[in-house]
Amino acid sequence: GQNIDQPTEMTATEGAIVQINCTYQTSGFNGLFWYQQHAGEAPTFLSYNVLDGLEEKGRFSSFLSRSKGYSYLLLKELQMKDSASYLCAVVDSNYQLIWGAGTKLIIKP
Amino acid sequence: GAVVSQHPSWVICKSGTSVKIECRSLDFQATTMFWYRQFPKQSLMLMATSNEGSKATYEQGVEKDKFLINHASLTLSTLTVTSAHPEDSSFYICSATDREPHEQYFGPGTRLTVT
Repeated sequence: GQNIDQPTEMTATEGAIVQINCTYQTSGFNGLFWYQQHAGEAPTFLSYNVLDGLEEKGRFSSFLSRSKGYSYLLLKELQMKDSASYLCAVVDSNYQLIWGAGTKLIIKP
Repeated sequence: GAVVSQHPSWVICKSGTSVKIECRSLDFQATTMFWYRQFPKQSLMLMATSNEGSKATYEQGVEKDKFLINHASLTLSTLTVTSAHPEDSSFYICSATDREPHEQYFGPGTRLTVT
């Protein structure tokens, strides 16, 4: 079966750094997405990785290791508005999106 | 670019009635649209995939006679929840793409409450 694992919930302090991990076992791999979803809203695109390595985009960075079936989303200089759920989604061999359950990130002042 | 709208943004209906939710791609032609459902504190669950002019493909466990999907044009898909029950109360999100299935643009979602 196909499986994506993320921590259910994480807590971090405003101004700090947090890393949200995602491990996956899927039938094929054609890329990995990270989305941010605030409560009551639809997901918004953060990043897309298809090759190994780190991609940096402002305060957010995403890392991928295909051999390990592993990715992480790194958030720096945390702000209160970063409190949200972060969804990891993998594109399988049929180019279908397989969604993780999401990680709820709580930012404390 | 790549804006997707949904209407209504929220709706309350009585048990046994039907509700229609619209999903529109505003600035591109969506060859494929997706309908998701999300229960509180859970991730997105794909309900069905629809291509313009053809029947929708439903995920396992989703009743196609209860959740009617019509993708009549390249910019509009509708989801009708027929004979709604309280357990159908959820957040329904559509997404659309004009490229590969994984390059999806999400609508803002519709919160359905069935009383």
